[in-house]
Amino acid sequence: QLQLVESGGGVVQPGRSLRLSCSASSFILSDFDVHWVRQAPGRGLEWVAFISSDEKNKFYGDSVKGRFTVSRDNAKNTLFLQMNSLRPEDTAMYYCAKDQGGEVRGLPYYFDSWGHGTLVSVSS
Amino acid sequence: IVLTQSPATLSVSPGESVTLSCRASQSVGVYLAWYQQTPGQAPRLLIYDASTRATGIPARFTGGGSGTDFTLTISGLEPEDFAVYYCQQRMNWRRPTFGGGTKVEIK
Repeated sequence: QLQLVESGGGVVQPGRSLRLSCSASSFILSDFDVHWVRQAPGRGLEWVAFISSDEKNKFYGDSVKGRFTVSRDNAKNTLFLQMNSLRPEDTAMYYCAKDQGGEVRGLPYYFDSWGHGTLVSVSS
Repeated sequence: IVLTQSPATLSVSPGESVTLSCRASQSVGVYLAWYQQTPGQAPRLLIYDASTRATGIPARFTGGGSGTDFTLTISGLEPEDFAVYYCQQRMNWRRPTFGGGTKVEIK
């Protein structure tokens, strides 16, 4: 199975910034559209952001729009989630998930491969 | 689009069959998926487009429905099936959303 690896999580104070990374082993991440999904402790899944393989399409969830930015460095086979103005409610496990892809390239479908996640804790 | 899953928890014995429900606040056609998440693990795609099993998913998992009402049936629960199950829609592809989850626990 395709393996994604997240990194960059940690403890950060409210209002500060953090950048998460997602890399791939055994496949070329730049060929695929990718999502970020988060899960607060003991809670359900929340979609955060999407970036198409060519970076032409980027979509964000309402709770992070204007504060989070998704990008990718295809030469390094890595994508990023820049998180600014962090709030306590952003505390969660953050997963990157490969999009399954479909008939129309660059649009979200389903999440068919997931990383193990990186934990972000926003606390003073 | 809001997805409402029911029940929140199901207590069943191994070998039994269960049906989980996911209801959408507006029609999502067949653009619905189901995921399984075991403790400490990432979610796994089980079913997409309402009824198509993902690669490697056993035949005991069956998805059905369309429009606003969907089901996931697990026939003959195996020990590894005790987990939390989430539905997800992509009808609003700019805003994919998940349901709140149903926990299937051992009775």
